[in-house]
This record gives sequence, structure tokens and C-alpha cells, in this order.
Amino acid sequence: QLQLQESGPRLVKPSETLSLTCTVSGDSISSSSYYWGWVRQPPGKGLEWIGSMFSSGSTYYSPSLRGRVTISADTSKRQFSLKVTSVTAADTATYYCARSRVALLSGFAYWGQGILVTVSS
Amino acid sequence: QSVLTQPPSVSGAPGQRVTISCSGSTSNIGAGFDVHWYQHLPGTAPKLLIYSDNNRPSGVPDRFSGSKSGTSAFLALTGLQAEDEGDYYCQSYDKRLSGHLVFGGGTRLTVL
Repeated sequence: QLQLQESGPRLVKPSETLSLTCTVSGDSISSSSYYWGWVRQPPGKGLEWIGSMFSSGSTYYSPSLRGRVTISADTSKRQFSLKVTSVTAADTATYYCARSRVALLSGFAYWGQGILVTVSS
Repeated sequence: QSVLTQPPSVSGAPGQRVTISCSGSTSNIGAGFDVHWYQHLPGTAPKLLIYSDNNRPSGVPDRFSGSKSGTSAFLALTGLQAEDEGDYYCQSYDKRLSGHLVFGGGTRLTVL
């Protein structure tokens, strides 16, 4: 059974870098042909796609966050990570890691429980 | 402002049928890209409810169904139950700006 678990600091200061890790159990990031992504939900708002990464390392980012976001993988640890630079209060959100059902456009079939990250001084 | 437009809220009595719409454009739904639907209940992770317009993952009751027409997609729930109360999101792909995944703004379903 595939499971994903987000981890990282829950409080980040404005202008600093938000760093989160998603630990995967039950599958291999490098050998499978799936897309691994991040989705966030600001308090009281809807879901927002941040970006996705293919097992080969190819990455795809939201136009609104491109330039501030990096998704990468540490296949030896079965983890993939998210970095968002120069954060502001608008980046306060619950962050979810997820895996595609099949291809990039096939929907997210597996989700982590989410981690609330607050940007505040 | 979401690229995909959903009604903020819908409601229905137990046992009734409700429909949630997801309105897009010719750069996403109207271009033929698949639409997926998610159920997001309080305190839980989003759950894939419908994929590729009208397919249910294993374990999703047939009370949930999806359809698509032109630049819009629809999620129908029949035989409403109290545990269906929560937020529902559509998701697709938009080919503008080098292409990106997009979510609707979400619809809060209230079971009366």
C-alpha cells in the first residue's frame, strides 16, 4: 500500500526558504513511471497545484510559482522535496505531496495527510 | 480567480441528487483534456473520486458519476448521505503558459 508523508518546519520567516520533504513507502520514486507532485491549500481557500516531477527527474511548475519553486528527489531515501524561496504570508498553506494515478494528466491518486506551514516573523 | 469555475456551494437533502458544475474554456476542458474530481472532507487528504471525466477508482460508490460537455464538466451525486458533506474540486490541464495543471475553486456540499 503506497503511503506518502510530508515533513518539515511548520513555521518559516518571511523572505526565507520553505523546505518540505515527502517520504514515500510502498513504491520507488526512480523506478516507477509516475509523477510526484505538490499541491497546497491556503487557509479558507481552494487547492493549488505547485508542481510535479517525473521519475526521470523532469519537472513541471505552476506559472504563478515558477522561479521560486524547486522540486527534486533523493531516490536513495525514497523522498522528494519542495523548496519555495522568498516566502511571504501568501505562502501560508497546508502543503500536500501526491502521486499521479498514471501519467501527468491522469489525476492524483495518492495523497499525504498534509502539513500546515505558516509564514510569520 | 480560478481557471476552472465551480459554484461556491450546493446543498441537498439525504437521498436526493445534486450536480456540481466545472466551467472551463477552450484552453482546458474544451480542448479535450481530462477532468478529474476530488472529495475533500474535513481533516482528511483529498481523495480522487472521478478520473478522466467519468471513471471511478476502485472503492468509489456508483452514487458518484462524472460527465463532460463542451467546455464544462459535471459531477453528480445521487442518494445523498450525511458523510458526503465536504468540499469537491475539479481538476484539469490548461495548455496556456507552457501548460499547467489547474483546479477549480471548490464547491462546498451541504447535506441538509
